[in-house]
Amino acid sequence: AQKITQTQPGMFVQEKEAVTLDCTYDTSDPSYGLFWYKQPSSGEMIFLIYQGSYDQQNATEGRYSLNFQKARKSANLVISASQLGDSAMYFCAMRESMDSSYKLIFGSGTRLLVRP
Amino acid sequence: KAGVTQTPRYLIKTRGQQVTLSCSPISGHRSVSWYQQTPGQGLQFLFEYFSETQRNKGNFPGRFSGRQFSNSRSEMNVSTLELGDSALYLCASRGSVSGNTIYFGEGSWLTVV
Repeated sequence: AQKITQTQPGMFVQEKEAVTLDCTYDTSDPSYGLFWYKQPSSGEMIFLIYQGSYDQQNATEGRYSLNFQKARKSANLVISASQLGDSAMYFCAMRESMDSSYKLIFGSGTRLLVRP
Repeated sequence: KAGVTQTPRYLIKTRGQQVTLSCSPISGHRSVSWYQQTPGQGLQFLFEYFSETQRNKGNFPGRFSGRQFSNSRSEMNVSTLELGDSALYLCASRGSVSGNTIYFGEGSWLTVV
């Protein structure tokens, strides 16, 4: 069965430094998509970045980049130049394309705290 | 461009009551899905609707139901509320153009007392 694992319950990073949030996944479907979301205390899930299993290049969106290592089944999120506003929960999620639905499987999340 | 809108944002219900939550997707999006988030179980998929048809359903009891209207707005209903239904309920929408970008609303915080 598909599964997402985030092994870091909490992380600290100094402002302006880079940080990597880990995500590993398990699936038997050759076609899948990986997502990262940010959830501040307000509750809203904010889309950050997407990586498709067949994408040749690692996805990047501004200060966010995804370190996609397909053979290792990992999709780590890298945040460069951390800002205080980056403090939030971060969730890795996966969608399998075995059917036409867009059901996401989420990891347990990593709480990131940015220190001034 | 307006985002995904969920109402109400906060509500308190008593055990045994029922609740209806509403979600208006991004304009033009026809796919709406619902998730429940609790501290113990994390984020769990409830169901997905596309063009008024339920396309997938998560492992939740029949007390949880949903529907989608012709304007793509969706509602979910929970009947006979239990204390364990206290959660953040998140709605997400996806458009055919946005492809794999799935946008979430701010959620509805439900407390059952």
